[in-house]
Amino acid sequence: SQTIHQWPATLVQPVGSPLSLECTVEGTSNPNLYWYRQAAGRGLQLLFYSVGIGQISSEVPQNLSASRPQDRQFILSSKKLLLSDSSFYLCAWRGQDTGELFFGEGSRLTVL
Amino acid sequence: GENVEQHPSTLSVQEGDSAVIKCTYSDSASNYFPWYKQELGKRPQLIIDIRSNVGEKKDQRIAVTLNKTAKHFSLHITETQPEDSAVYFCAADNYGQNFVFGPGTRLSVLP
Repeated sequence: SQTIHQWPATLVQPVGSPLSLECTVEGTSNPNLYWYRQAAGRGLQLLFYSVGIGQISSEVPQNLSASRPQDRQFILSSKKLLLSDSSFYLCAWRGQDTGELFFGEGSRLTVL
Repeated sequence: GENVEQHPSTLSVQEGDSAVIKCTYSDSASNYFPWYKQELGKRPQLIIDIRSNVGEKKDQRIAVTLNKTAKHFSLHITETQPEDSAVYFCAADNYGQNFVFGPGTRLSVLP
């Protein structure tokens, strides 16, 4: 069966520091991969999605970037965090032949 | 592009009553409509979905209906229980690559 792993689960970082969140999927190949952000009490904002290695589509301009170095690995990065980057970040995957979207457990980022 | 609206934003019901959440979408090409439940501090989890070739789907106390002509779909929860309290998100499939989510409905089931 397919599983998705996301880490770290929680992170406290100072303003201006770099960020790296990682997500891996097991049990499937060539998935569509996604990064969402969710502010407290708010909805799901799509940040990036990828349909294949090295293919990244950005939905919202910001100081974040994403990379997909391997088929089942998706990384969210920032060179310099802002206070406004504090949020709950969710990785998700979707099979090429199904419509279902499954989320990782999320990474809660606090920028101080 | 696709736009999804969701109503109501908050909903309180007595335990045992029914709850209905409605979503409308704008793109008639959308053909897959999932519903997610998110408990506080946790990830959204898929609870039911429907495709455009089906008008209704039911899974125990949960059902989803789709009206393609009017471009709206609804989540129905019967015999609500306190553990149904959560935020519910609807979504529409945007050309098979990404979803457009509604803003969410906070459901509170009062004992």
